[in-house]
Amino acid sequence: GAGVSQSPSNKVTEKGKDVELRCDPISGHTALYWYRQSLGQGLEFLIYFQGNSAPDKSGLPSDRFSAERTGGSVSTLTIQRTQQEDSAVYLCASSPPGGGGWVLTFGAGSRLTVL
Amino acid sequence: EDKVVQSPLSLVVHEGDTVTLNCSYEVTNFRSLLWYKQEKKAPTFLFMLTSSGIEKKSGRLSSILDKKELFSILNITATQTGDSAVYLCAVERRTGTASKLTFGTGTRLQVTL
Repeated sequence: GAGVSQSPSNKVTEKGKDVELRCDPISGHTALYWYRQSLGQGLEFLIYFQGNSAPDKSGLPSDRFSAERTGGSVSTLTIQRTQQEDSAVYLCASSPPGGGGWVLTFGAGSRLTVL
Repeated sequence: EDKVVQSPLSLVVHEGDTVTLNCSYEVTNFRSLLWYKQEKKAPTFLFMLTSSGIEKKSGRLSSILDKKELFSILNITATQTGDSAVYLCAVERRTGTASKLTFGTGTRLQVTL
């Protein structure tokens, strides 16, 4: 696609429920990042996929968080047993092979509200 | 652990003022430092800095990097209300053939009439 597409754009859920957030990166982009941005805060790194390499999961805050990237393209971030502190905007970004921050393209984000 | 610290956290100025935003960092295997502007949703790229002392300029915005003192500044001259946004600084670390970005918390700039 022309840009990084994220869905849903808004999600309201009850505490304890599981949620799935989807990211469709730009075609051909091998690197895919998930970040979390709480209200008034910067971007908190969650997980990073690069091609066929093992993902860098060092930013995942707990074992309730997991992410997959199927076929080197679409990625799904899953949050199990959601808590109120999980409320945030979840941003996905992708970049092409060999590219870095200057060609990083962000999606519009998925705003998660946990009641 | 890579670290990026931005200051001030927020700033309110009048249109026409000049502002300086600060970013200090600690990172291993430094590749670059980047500035982004985030207005409503997705951050958009402003500058990438890799070498010390070389100013990057785009219109009223400019930025410079000091790799010895590990900081960068972003200057905005003759501010306009459209400059109101969160300005994010990030450092890029090379990890093999890949790279990893660590962001600061951002500086929220509000430009008033």
